[in-house]
Amino acid sequence: DAKTTQPTSMDCAEGRAANLPCNHSTISGNEYVYWYRQIHSQGPQYIIHGLKNNETNEMASLIITEDRKSSTLILPHATLRDTAVYYCIAAKDSNYQLIWGAGTKLIIKP
Amino acid sequence: EPEVTQTPSHQVTQMGQEVILRCVPISNHLYFYWYRQILGQKVEFLVSFYNNEISEKSEIFDDQFSVERPDGSNFTLKIRSTKLEDSAMYFCASSWPLGVPTGELFFGEGSRLTVL
Repeated sequence: DAKTTQPTSMDCAEGRAANLPCNHSTISGNEYVYWYRQIHSQGPQYIIHGLKNNETNEMASLIITEDRKSSTLILPHATLRDTAVYYCIAAKDSNYQLIWGAGTKLIIKP
Repeated sequence: EPEVTQTPSHQVTQMGQEVILRCVPISNHLYFYWYRQILGQKVEFLVSFYNNEISEKSEIFDDQFSVERPDGSNFTLKIRSTKLEDSAMYFCASSWPLGVPTGELFFGEGSRLTVL
Protein backbone atom coordinates (compact mmCIF):
# COMPACT_ATOMS: atom_id res chain seq x y z
CA ASP A 1 0.00 0.00 0.00
CA ALA A 2 1.09 3.55 -0.68
CA LYS A 3 2.58 5.56 2.14
CA THR A 4 0.70 8.70 3.16
CA THR A 5 2.09 11.88 4.69
CA GLN A 6 0.06 14.23 6.88
CA PRO A 7 0.90 17.25 9.03
CA THR A 8 1.36 16.38 12.67
CA SER A 9 -1.17 18.89 13.94
CA MET A 10 -3.55 21.63 12.89
CA ASP A 11 -5.82 24.14 14.54
CA CYS A 12 -9.14 25.40 13.25
CA ALA A 13 -11.66 27.86 14.65
CA GLU A 14 -15.07 26.53 15.56
CA GLY A 15 -17.57 27.11 12.77
CA ARG A 16 -14.91 27.41 10.09
CA ALA A 17 -14.03 24.80 7.50
CA ALA A 18 -11.22 22.48 8.48
CA ASN A 19 -9.07 21.40 5.56
CA LEU A 20 -6.80 18.46 6.25
CA PRO A 21 -4.20 17.64 3.58
CA CYS A 22 -2.69 14.28 2.76
CA ASN A 23 0.07 13.38 0.35
CA HIS A 24 0.09 9.96 -1.29
CA SER A 25 2.43 10.45 -4.21
CA THR A 26 3.07 6.72 -4.71
CA ILE A 27 -0.57 5.70 -4.77
CA SER A 28 -1.40 3.11 -7.39
CA GLY A 29 -4.39 3.13 -9.69
CA ASN A 30 -6.41 0.64 -7.71
CA GLU A 31 -5.83 2.13 -4.27
CA TYR A 32 -8.56 4.06 -2.56
CA VAL A 33 -8.01 6.97 -0.20
CA TYR A 34 -9.72 6.42 3.13
CA TRP A 35 -10.17 8.87 5.98
CA TYR A 36 -10.78 7.84 9.55
CA ARG A 37 -10.72 9.74 12.79
CA GLN A 38 -10.11 8.75 16.38
CA ILE A 39 -11.52 10.80 19.21
CA HIS A 40 -9.46 10.47 22.37
CA SER A 41 -8.50 6.77 22.11
CA GLN A 42 -12.00 5.68 21.17
CA GLY A 43 -12.44 3.26 18.29
CA PRO A 44 -11.53 4.75 14.92
CA GLN A 45 -14.47 6.08 12.98
CA TYR A 46 -14.77 5.83 9.22
CA ILE A 47 -15.37 9.20 7.57
CA ILE A 48 -15.19 8.91 3.80
CA HIS A 49 -13.28 7.31 0.97
CA GLY A 50 -12.67 7.91 -2.72
CA LEU A 51 -10.83 6.57 -5.74
CA LYS A 52 -10.49 9.51 -8.12
CA ASN A 53 -13.68 11.52 -8.00
CA ASN A 54 -14.47 14.01 -5.28
CA GLU A 55 -16.83 12.63 -2.70
CA THR A 56 -19.21 14.14 -0.17
CA ASN A 57 -21.27 12.65 2.61
CA GLU A 58 -22.97 13.93 5.73
CA MET A 59 -19.70 14.17 7.60
CA ALA A 60 -17.20 15.58 5.14
CA SER A 61 -16.00 16.16 1.61
CA LEU A 62 -12.98 14.55 0.00
CA ILE A 63 -11.13 16.34 -2.75
CA ILE A 64 -8.63 14.22 -4.69
CA THR A 65 -6.25 15.90 -7.11
CA GLU A 66 -6.40 14.87 -10.73
CA ASP A 67 -3.04 13.10 -10.52
CA ARG A 68 -4.24 11.40 -7.31
CA LYS A 69 -1.01 12.27 -5.52
CA SER A 70 -2.74 14.22 -2.79
CA SER A 71 -6.13 14.78 -1.25
CA THR A 72 -7.88 17.08 1.19
CA LEU A 73 -10.52 16.20 3.73
CA ILE A 74 -12.90 19.07 4.38
CA LEU A 75 -15.06 19.37 7.47
CA PRO A 76 -17.33 22.22 6.35
CA HIS A 77 -18.35 23.65 9.73
CA ALA A 78 -16.03 22.34 12.40
CA THR A 79 -17.34 21.91 15.92
CA LEU A 80 -15.50 21.24 19.17
CA ARG A 81 -16.54 17.58 18.85
CA ASP A 82 -14.46 17.32 15.69
CA THR A 83 -11.28 17.56 17.76
CA ALA A 84 -9.59 14.24 17.00
CA VAL A 85 -6.71 12.56 15.22
CA TYR A 86 -7.48 12.21 11.51
CA TYR A 87 -5.92 9.41 9.50
CA CYS A 88 -5.48 9.27 5.75
CA ILE A 89 -4.92 5.72 4.48
CA ALA A 90 -4.31 4.42 0.97
CA ALA A 91 -5.44 0.86 0.46
CA LYS A 92 -6.52 -1.47 -2.30
CA ASP A 93 -10.01 -2.81 -2.55
CA SER A 94 -10.08 -6.21 -0.89
CA ASN A 95 -7.02 -5.35 1.14
CA TYR A 96 -7.52 -6.80 4.55
CA GLN A 97 -5.11 -4.76 6.56
CA LEU A 98 -5.08 -0.99 6.80
CA ILE A 99 -1.71 0.61 7.51
CA TRP A 100 -2.13 3.51 9.93
CA GLY A 101 0.26 6.41 10.20
CA ALA A 102 0.46 8.96 12.99
CA GLY A 103 -2.36 11.07 11.52
CA THR A 104 -3.10 14.75 12.02
CA LYS A 105 -4.19 15.95 15.41
CA LEU A 106 -6.90 18.49 14.67
CA ILE A 107 -7.80 20.87 17.47
CA ILE A 108 -10.96 22.92 17.09
CA LYS A 109 -10.77 26.12 19.11
CA PRO A 110 -13.75 28.11 20.37
CA GLU B 1 -27.55 2.32 14.11
CA PRO B 2 -25.83 -1.07 14.23
CA GLU B 3 -22.53 -1.13 16.03
CA VAL B 4 -19.64 -3.37 16.96
CA THR B 5 -19.62 -4.17 20.67
CA GLN B 6 -16.61 -5.30 22.68
CA THR B 7 -16.23 -6.78 26.13
CA PRO B 8 -14.69 -6.24 28.55
CA SER B 9 -14.01 -2.54 28.29
CA HIS B 10 -11.03 -2.94 30.58
CA GLN B 11 -9.22 -6.04 31.80
CA VAL B 12 -6.33 -6.22 34.20
CA THR B 13 -4.36 -9.44 34.27
CA GLN B 14 -1.13 -10.82 35.64
CA MET B 15 1.75 -11.57 33.32
CA GLY B 16 1.55 -15.15 32.06
CA GLN B 17 -2.22 -15.39 32.31
CA GLU B 18 -4.53 -16.02 29.37
CA VAL B 19 -7.12 -13.46 28.34
CA ILE B 20 -10.02 -13.61 25.96
CA LEU B 21 -11.38 -10.44 24.41
CA ARG B 22 -14.83 -10.66 22.92
CA CYS B 23 -16.49 -8.86 20.08
CA VAL B 24 -19.92 -8.92 18.53
CA PRO B 25 -19.58 -7.64 14.95
CA ILE B 26 -22.41 -6.05 13.02
CA SER B 27 -24.78 -8.86 12.16
CA ASN B 28 -24.64 -8.89 8.35
CA HIS B 29 -20.90 -8.29 8.13
CA LEU B 30 -18.65 -10.99 6.77
CA TYR B 31 -15.12 -9.76 7.49
CA PHE B 32 -13.77 -9.38 10.99
CA TYR B 33 -10.57 -7.81 12.26
CA TRP B 34 -8.51 -7.18 15.34
CA TYR B 35 -6.29 -4.15 15.64
CA ARG B 36 -4.38 -2.91 18.63
CA GLN B 37 -3.02 0.42 19.80
CA ILE B 38 -0.35 0.70 22.43
CA LEU B 39 -0.81 3.91 24.42
CA GLY B 40 0.41 6.90 22.44
CA GLN B 41 1.33 4.83 19.40
CA LYS B 42 -0.16 3.98 16.02
CA VAL B 43 -3.04 1.64 15.36
CA GLU B 44 -1.62 -1.73 14.26
CA PHE B 45 -3.29 -4.49 12.30
CA LEU B 46 -3.29 -7.92 13.94
CA VAL B 47 -5.53 -10.24 11.94
CA SER B 48 -8.44 -10.49 9.56
CA PHE B 49 -10.96 -13.33 9.46
CA TYR B 50 -13.38 -14.43 6.78
CA ASN B 51 -15.38 -17.57 6.20
CA ASN B 52 -14.18 -19.09 9.45
CA GLU B 53 -10.52 -18.76 8.74
CA ILE B 54 -7.73 -16.23 9.00
CA SER B 55 -7.38 -14.20 5.80
CA GLU B 56 -4.31 -12.26 6.74
CA LYS B 57 -2.19 -11.68 9.82
CA SER B 58 0.63 -9.39 10.77
CA GLU B 59 3.99 -10.24 12.30
CA ILE B 60 2.57 -9.25 15.67
CA PHE B 61 0.02 -12.05 15.48
CA ASP B 62 2.30 -14.91 16.51
CA ASP B 63 1.52 -18.21 18.20
CA GLN B 64 0.58 -16.38 21.36
CA PHE B 65 -2.58 -15.11 19.66
CA SER B 66 -5.59 -16.91 18.26
CA VAL B 67 -9.00 -15.93 16.97
CA GLU B 68 -12.23 -17.80 16.85
CA ARG B 69 -15.81 -17.34 15.85
CA PRO B 70 -17.37 -19.83 18.26
CA ASP B 71 -20.96 -19.15 17.23
CA GLY B 72 -22.84 -17.01 14.75
CA SER B 73 -22.33 -13.77 16.59
CA ASN B 74 -19.15 -13.64 18.66
CA PHE B 75 -15.60 -13.10 17.45
CA THR B 76 -12.88 -13.61 20.04
CA LEU B 77 -9.20 -12.84 20.42
CA LYS B 78 -7.29 -15.08 22.80
CA ILE B 79 -3.91 -14.06 24.12
CA ARG B 80 -2.02 -16.88 25.79
CA SER B 81 0.61 -16.23 28.44
CA THR B 82 0.31 -12.46 28.39
CA LYS B 83 3.41 -10.26 28.49
CA LEU B 84 3.84 -6.74 29.75
CA GLU B 85 4.14 -5.49 26.18
CA ASP B 86 0.68 -6.85 25.37
CA SER B 87 -0.78 -3.95 27.34
CA ALA B 88 -2.76 -2.00 24.77
CA MET B 89 -6.19 -1.09 23.53
CA TYR B 90 -7.55 -3.85 21.32
CA PHE B 91 -10.08 -2.88 18.69
CA CYS B 92 -12.42 -5.23 16.90
CA ALA B 93 -13.78 -4.20 13.53
CA SER B 94 -16.04 -5.63 10.88
CA SER B 95 -16.87 -4.96 7.26
CA TRP B 96 -18.69 -6.55 4.37
CA PRO B 97 -17.45 -6.98 0.82
CA LEU B 98 -20.56 -6.88 -1.27
CA GLY B 99 -20.02 -3.92 -3.56
CA VAL B 100 -18.15 -1.99 -0.89
CA PRO B 101 -14.38 -1.73 -0.56
CA THR B 102 -13.23 -3.60 2.48
CA GLY B 103 -11.39 -0.54 3.73
CA GLU B 104 -14.64 0.79 5.18
CA LEU B 105 -14.37 -0.72 8.62
CA PHE B 106 -16.67 -0.33 11.57
CA PHE B 107 -14.79 -0.34 14.85
CA GLY B 108 -15.84 -1.13 18.37
CA GLU B 109 -14.92 1.08 21.30
CA GLY B 110 -12.06 -1.17 22.28
CA SER B 111 -10.95 -3.34 25.16
CA ARG B 112 -8.14 -1.97 27.25
CA LEU B 113 -5.78 -4.71 28.42
CA THR B 114 -3.40 -3.98 31.25
CA VAL B 115 -0.81 -6.64 32.02
CA LEU B 116 0.90 -6.34 35.41
